[in-house]
Amino acid sequence: SQQGEEDPQALSIQEGENATMNCSYKTSINNLQWYRQNSGRGLVHLILIRSNEREKHSGRLRVTLDTSKKSSSLLITASRAADTASYFCATDASNFGNEKLTFGTGTRLTIIP
Amino acid sequence: EPEVTQTPSHQVTQMGQEVILRCVPISNHLYFYWYRQILGQKVEFLVSFYNNEISEKSEIFDDQFSVERPDGSNFTLKIRSTKLEDSAMYFCASSEALWGSNQPQHFGDGTRLSIL
Repeated sequence: SQQGEEDPQALSIQEGENATMNCSYKTSINNLQWYRQNSGRGLVHLILIRSNEREKHSGRLRVTLDTSKKSSSLLITASRAADTASYFCATDASNFGNEKLTFGTGTRLTIIP
Repeated sequence: EPEVTQTPSHQVTQMGQEVILRCVPISNHLYFYWYRQILGQKVEFLVSFYNNEISEKSEIFDDQFSVERPDGSNFTLKIRSTKLEDSAMYFCASSEALWGSNQPQHFGDGTRLSIL
């Protein structure tokens, strides 16, 4: 698989349920970021987790990072219709964490009202 | 909340023509980036720019591409002679330059470039 592969590719859940998306990567990283993209729009930054962090929370979002397995997960709790979007993980493998991001293939999340 | 703005939102150009995509990064940000997303594919890094010079570029960013920060606010991507395969959504991003870095990149809404 390539750097930054999300699974599942598509996920449909009922409103109110939790959604979990996973991301795997291949190289060592400085940080990993999650982004949301609504159809035809730009990428909205959700959360950044550093390589020395294991878990981070922001509102209804919870991100975990396991550098030994080179994987991350994004949990959205109590999903809402407005959460319908594509979600991407992106890794920064630079020394200082300000260089290029390598994006995954994304998970398309659909929240059913 | 400050945001990255891109113009135009949609650009249609004949193959072989030059095109300039414009971006206004967030005002206190010092790192700038261009990415592209071909329809149905991953977002791909093109180039990063810091301190008035390119800090990294991908294989996609060949001699047909150039970037410039012509004044204190704009950041442009120029494609000299467009090809059909340049059709994509082009995203500009910016991030702060803080010691220790690890700053998120903030993206604009993109310019959809269609080459005919």
